[in-house]
Amino acid sequence: QPVLTQSSSASASLVSSVKLTCTLSSGHSSYIIAWHQQQPGKAPRYLMKLKSSGSYNKGSGVPDRFSGSSSGADRYLTISNLQSEDEADYYCETWDSNSRVFGGGTKLTVL
Amino acid sequence: EVQLLESGGGLVQPEGSLRLSCAASGFTFSSYDMSWVRQAPGKGLEWVSGIGGSGGSTYYAASVKGRFTISRDNSKNTLYLQMNSLRAEDTAVYYCAKVEAAVGIDYWGQGTLVTVSS
Repeated sequence: QPVLTQSSSASASLVSSVKLTCTLSSGHSSYIIAWHQQQPGKAPRYLMKLKSSGSYNKGSGVPDRFSGSSSGADRYLTISNLQSEDEADYYCETWDSNSRVFGGGTKLTVL
Repeated sequence: EVQLLESGGGLVQPEGSLRLSCAASGFTFSSYDMSWVRQAPGKGLEWVSGIGGSGGSTYYAASVKGRFTISRDNSKNTLYLQMNSLRAEDTAVYYCAKVEAAVGIDYWGQGTLVTVSS
């Protein structure tokens, strides 16, 4: 079963950019992941699907400021032109034949 | 518009039971796998259980296997989670989630709070 590792926290200034990382465990570097955003007090929201090739497909209504990329076992979520509403927890998700798994989440603070 | 509406949460004593429901609309319910995901207070997301579109395949996290049962009624567009032998560590917000094949979870419900306490 794959394991996803995320940094517990990150911070960046308003209107700057930030790159969040989700790392797949050994032997699972080809896996597709999904990124989700959870704003304070709200349910999670699907952001995008991200392949090992770096290609990504965003969910409906996700701003252009959100993009994805990949390198080896690492999957990245880049947020450009940071806004105050981007302050949230970000989770990556993957799956195998009979289970799903989430990373521990990264708490993003917008300064 | 996809909508997932959970219900059935509440306060229950340890070793008690509770059944959660999730009413789905805005998509062909029987064509999609569904999952339950929970979030303990102040903690991250934890996958709990999943079910195939026909209901023939079910999957569970080790932490709930043997105590929880996932099911669905495609005629009612409703997903269920029967929770038995509840423990304090099952206290969490439970989310219903739609799964898109090779994409992951693409829609979430608003969640329902389950509190296990005497």
